[in-house]
Amino acid sequence: EPEVTQTPSHQVTQMGQEVILRCVPISNHLYFYWYRQILGQKVEFLVSFYNNEISEKSEIFDDQFSVERPDGSNFTLKIRSTKLEDSAMYFCASSPGTQGNEQFFGPGTRLTVL
Amino acid sequence: QQQVKQSPQSLIVQKGGISIINCAYENTAFDYFPWYQQFPGKGPALLIAIRPDVSEKKEGRFTISFNKSAKQFSLHIMDSQPGDSATYFCAASGSGGSYIPTFGRGTSLIVHP
Repeated sequence: EPEVTQTPSHQVTQMGQEVILRCVPISNHLYFYWYRQILGQKVEFLVSFYNNEISEKSEIFDDQFSVERPDGSNFTLKIRSTKLEDSAMYFCASSPGTQGNEQFFGPGTRLTVL
Repeated sequence: QQQVKQSPQSLIVQKGGISIINCAYENTAFDYFPWYQQFPGKGPALLIAIRPDVSEKKEGRFTISFNKSAKQFSLHIMDSQPGDSATYFCAASGSGGSYIPTFGRGTSLIVHP
């Protein structure tokens, strides 16, 4: 069964450093998303991406965040200058044809900012 | 208002019992209500979902009950098993401006053998 994959599974970085989280969505899906989940809290939407551009973003997704689809398979989230409060699980998700519905999540990247 | 309120925060049931998790929403434009199951260290996985044109949907031991007038929906897990122990998130999304799901805060379910 096709699945969303994410790398790395765990990333440790120093405050102020840039990190890139990588995702490979399911191949025939058209909508891509990033979410984050701070330990013990709910899943929070960051950004959605369709047709090579951001279609929606939350208040959390400020100027330090960016997304890119550098080739036909990868979807990346870049955090330019990490802060302690960026420590969380970051989930990539994709959905086939309709925005928001039936999203398939990857296993997540645990980001730890020291 | 985009909030989805979920309760209880944690739930302990005995094997074979019924687990019930409740959610309430405010935005009447929501028209898709999925439940996600999340095991430790894993991403949320879609478990079952319902649209407001039906009041109930059943898949195996999992049932969603939906009350459109009360703006509430619930997940019932019949014959709960230890393998059901996980965190369950309700969510809501719709066509009224945003397709992005709004998640509840999650319910940690423990099923004792």
